[in-house]
Amino acid sequence: QVQLQESGPRLVKPSQTLSLTCTVSGGSISSGTYYWSWIRQPAGKGLEWIGRIYTSGSTNYNPSLRSRVTLSVDTSRNQFFLKLTSVTAADTAVYYCATGGLDGTTDYWGQGTLVTVSS
Amino acid sequence: DIQMTQSPSSLSASVGDRVTITCRASQGITNYLAWFQQKPGKAPRSLIYAASRLHSGVPSKFSGSGSGTDFTLIISSLQPEDFATYYCQQYYNYPPTFGPGTKVDIK
Repeated sequence: QVQLQESGPRLVKPSQTLSLTCTVSGGSISSGTYYWSWIRQPAGKGLEWIGRIYTSGSTNYNPSLRSRVTLSVDTSRNQFFLKLTSVTAADTAVYYCATGGLDGTTDYWGQGTLVTVSS
Repeated sequence: DIQMTQSPSSLSASVGDRVTITCRASQGITNYLAWFQQKPGKAPRSLIYAASRLHSGVPSKFSGSGSGTDFTLIISSLQPEDFATYYCQQYYNYPPTFGPGTKVDIK
C-alpha cells in the first residue's frame, strides 16, 4: 500500500513562499498509474483541492490558486513538491498530499502537516 | 466550479442506528462521486469512489448510491469508530470540489 509523508517548514512569514515535500513509499512515483495531489484544510473548515501532477510533469491546478501554485516531481527521490507564493494568513491550513487513480479518485492520504502563516 | 452540498450538516445518532447522509451536486456529475471519513486531528480516509464502490478494506456497513446530481451514503449499523465527519467530493471536472461535511456524533 502506498504511504505518503509531508514535510517542510511549519511557519512561513506573510508574502513569502510555502514549500512542502511529499515523500512516497510503498510504490513508485514513476509507475504511471497514479496522479499526485495536494489538498488543504484550514482549521475547523472543509477541504480544498490545490492541484495534481503526473509523472510526466503535467499538472492541473485549482483556478483559485493557479497564479501562486507550482507542483513538481522528483522521480529519483520518489518525492513531489508544492510551492505556494505570496502567502497570507488565509493560507494557514493543514496541507495533505494524496494520490489517486488516473480517473480522478483520491485513494491514499498523507497524515497532513499544519503550516501557519504569521510574522 | 461545481458546488457540492450535504445534508444534514450534523446529526446525532446512537450505536446501532442506520445513518443516511445526502450529497447534491450543482450540475450532473454522472457517478464521479467519492466519500471520505475524517476523525478529529486525522487525515481523511477514502471510503467510496464512483458513487458506490468501496475502497479496499472499507467494511460493508458503508454503502453509497446515486448518480447525476443526488447521492447517498448509508452506514447500516453505526459503531463507536464511525463517529466522524463525512465529506463528499465530485471529480467529474476541475477543480474537484468537496461538500462542507456532515458531522456524526453520539446521541
